[in-house]
Amino acid sequence: GIQVEQSPPDLILQEGANSTLRCNFSDSVNNLQWFHQNPWGQLINLFYIPSGTKQNGRLSATTVATERYSLLYISSSQTTDSGVYFCAVGGTGTYKYIFGTGTRLKVLA
Amino acid sequence: DAGITQSPRHKVTETGTPVTLRCHQTENHRYMYWYRQDPGHGLRLIHYSYGVKDTDKGEVSDGYSVSRSKTEDFLLTLESATSSQTSVYFCAIQTGGTGELFFGEGSRLTVL
Repeated sequence: GIQVEQSPPDLILQEGANSTLRCNFSDSVNNLQWFHQNPWGQLINLFYIPSGTKQNGRLSATTVATERYSLLYISSSQTTDSGVYFCAVGGTGTYKYIFGTGTRLKVLA
Repeated sequence: DAGITQSPRHKVTETGTPVTLRCHQTENHRYMYWYRQDPGHGLRLIHYSYGVKDTDKGEVSDGYSVSRSKTEDFLLTLESATSSQTSVYFCAIQTGGTGELFFGEGSRLTVL
């Protein structure tokens, strides 16, 4: 099955800093999503982005499907950005989503 | 809000007892999923359903069974709970249009 790797595993930032989170996957995908799990455990949808680039406020994401990676950019980070960021992919011909192990982000005031 | 409700939200049980977790959706989505989340493992797929009475196994299905007798409900059963099944369980639906996943609030299960 598809393998999903996220990097870095942990990240500590000062408030206001920018960051880039990476998701590598091992095979062609039909679906790719980024989620934020907040400190209360809720999984929040950030982007559905099997290809291309999207932006939502301070967050943006790019997926280069041909090279099998996706990037999540966080600009001007805030303490509320803290939590775990997950990448999840769904392969061709399947409805199963496979998750990476996440990037744990801590933003310091 | 994708209209997903999980119950119970918290449960403590003893080894060897049966446990059923319920996922209820209000929007008639065809695809429903059960994941478990454990430290160091992210979310792992247990079972999923692609219609009433149509289910399939995920990565970590041993010790779990599921049932879907109507579109809105997807049940996850631990026939005889073990301590290794202590986890947070998430239900998800997949929208029919984009295929985007949306999650419920999670159910925290502790098996003593």
